[in-house]
Amino acid sequence: SQELEQSPQSLIVQEGKNLTINCTSSKTLYGLYWYKQKYGEGLIFLMMLQKGGEEKSHEKITAKLDEKKQQSSLHITASQPSHAGIYLCGAELIQGAQKLVFGQGTRLTINP
Amino acid sequence: DGGITQSPKYLFRKEGQNVTLSCEQNLNHDAMYWYRQDPGQGLRLIYYSQIVNDFQKGDIAEGYSVSREKKESFPLTVTSAQKNPTAFYLCASSIRPGVYPEAFFGQGTRLTVV
Repeated sequence: SQELEQSPQSLIVQEGKNLTINCTSSKTLYGLYWYKQKYGEGLIFLMMLQKGGEEKSHEKITAKLDEKKQQSSLHITASQPSHAGIYLCGAELIQGAQKLVFGQGTRLTINP
Repeated sequence: DGGITQSPKYLFRKEGQNVTLSCEQNLNHDAMYWYRQDPGQGLRLIYYSQIVNDFQKGDIAEGYSVSREKKESFPLTVTSAQKNPTAFYLCASSIRPGVYPEAFFGQGTRLTVV
């Protein structure tokens, strides 16, 4: 089973609509990272969250880490075609570990 | 411009053959990583290296080998012992181990066994 579960696995939204992607763990998340990947390409770092209750925003993308540090959400407001791609969450499940565990990804399609 | 380069972008291999994927970075990063990505799955760590001449197995190291003779290079060899090598392979580097916000990813190599 996946240590990090992302939902949904696939999402199709109309341009201009808001959307949320979730990343859930049964273990404490010591560092939670959101990346974006265009199909067949490398990953681009979006945001990092470490503290329970932390929230960060970049342009129209907001990421939150819940108080218990076991779930994170990525929210996109007024989606645009440039938001299309695969969103991956990665996390340190062991404090001080030098490797990330990744979720299976959420494929986002934006329809005009 | 600094960056991380993977080559080739596409690679075809016959069954039973070893093949080496190249990863080069000019960012002066100490740490380098190799991940494998399969459809519907996230990235899984194959090997990582914190310094030159040192590397550790990740979660799925069987059938793979690496070397780190130079700071800027971390080639991955997919051996014939890897039972299901067809996948998308990503290389990454970071200034020091565990510093993921500063991790840079290459564009990937898609390996297909024919």
